[in-house]
Amino acid sequence: DGGITQSPKYLFRKEGQNVTLSCEQNLNHDAMYWYRQDPGQGLRLIYYSQIVNDFQKGDIAEGYSVSREKKESFPLTVTSAQKNPTAFYLCASSIGPIMGGDQPQHFGDGTRLSIL
Amino acid sequence: DQQVKQNSPSLSVQEGRISILNCDYTNSMFDYFLWYKKYPAEGPTFLISISSIKDKNEDGRFTVFLNKSAKHLSLHIVPSQPGDSAVYFCAASGGSNYKLTFGKGTLLTVNP
Repeated sequence: DGGITQSPKYLFRKEGQNVTLSCEQNLNHDAMYWYRQDPGQGLRLIYYSQIVNDFQKGDIAEGYSVSREKKESFPLTVTSAQKNPTAFYLCASSIGPIMGGDQPQHFGDGTRLSIL
Repeated sequence: DQQVKQNSPSLSVQEGRISILNCDYTNSMFDYFLWYKKYPAEGPTFLISISSIKDKNEDGRFTVFLNKSAKHLSLHIVPSQPGDSAVYFCAASGGSNYKLTFGKGTLLTVNP
């Protein structure tokens, strides 16, 4: 059963700590994405990767870092430089990076990050 | 600057009736539009999409209409069911742009 797995579902961070959110997909998709959702807001793009060993900044990349060493994995690190990290984080993937036809982005169930 | 706008934060409909969710966009480069449905504490689920070369796309109870001249699209759900109660996001992308731009969402409540 193919899909996108995000773990953990809930995560707590102390001030000044880095934390890494996991995202794994077994859909054989080339492109992967990280979004952030705040209450009453739409999804905002943090980083995306079109292919292994390549990634690009989205609209709100400051304070975040990513890696794409394997096709199926795209972890997101929330660093201490991110001043307001409390949010719902969503990972997505798509067959290719170009939208169109029947190639939508598919999402995981998210990780809720809170500051202690 | 919001390029995709969903001006109704919420909508309440009776079971069996039609639900109409609206979305406006400002970027004329957008040529692919999607609707996602989201339950609390879950990721969005893809519902239906439409390319700018079409003005209508239908999938079961869900129909999306696109009016390019007005830069407006709408999602019709007929008949509405209580299980349709969720937040609906409109999203758009343009040309070779990978990026999806999302609206803020509309909370649909279908009352039994």
